[in-house]
Amino acid sequence: QVQLVQSGAEVKKPGASVKVSCKASGYTFTSHYITWVRQAPGQGLEWMGWISGYNGDTTYEQKFRGRVTMTTDASTSTVSMELRSLRSADTAVYYCARVSGFTDVFDFWGQGTMVTVSS
Amino acid sequence: DIQMTQSPSSLSASVGDRVIITCRASQFISSHLHWYQQKPGKAPRVLIFAASSLQSGVPSRFSGTGSGTDFTLTISSLQPEDYATYYCQQSYSSPRTFGQGTKVEIK
Repeated sequence: QVQLVQSGAEVKKPGASVKVSCKASGYTFTSHYITWVRQAPGQGLEWMGWISGYNGDTTYEQKFRGRVTMTTDASTSTVSMELRSLRSADTAVYYCARVSGFTDVFDFWGQGTMVTVSS
Repeated sequence: DIQMTQSPSSLSASVGDRVIITCRASQFISSHLHWYQQKPGKAPRVLIFAASSLQSGVPSRFSGTGSGTDFTLTISSLQPEDYATYYCQQSYSSPRTFGQGTKVEIK
């Protein structure tokens, strides 16, 4: 069965960086994009961008360009998302999700990783 | 960017009620519209994709309709496990955008 397992919670100081990983299993990794969505406490869902599991091509939401980098390691079926220059507004749960190749729906999700930015 | 607007933002309903949530896109998105359910502390899960297709494993009391700019999610008979927040999301163009969510609470 398809599974996405994310790395554990992080606490960072303002200005620092965080790297969250997402290990995929149960499907052909190179056949799908992985997307990242975040959710601030009590707020809605915010799309950050995505990366191809095939060739590492990325698309980032304009709001995050220059601060975010998504990478992929096909040998371990793992995608990582690094966010730099953290500020308190980046405190959120970060989710990875698989993108369906047919309809672009986010059909399987990781369990989420809480990132807290606090001095 | 395409703005997605859901209504209502919240509603109270009883078990057995028919619940309808609407989602409006700020521009044409054809049928590139998906619905997710999220329970507290959990990741979202997809209910409906491409406006009206039921995701595998999702109960048939959930249904979706619409195309163009206006869409609806219907729960035909609300069950206790359906109390959650529901989001629409468009995949017509980037950036992908979500509605603000509709919280379904117990009446």
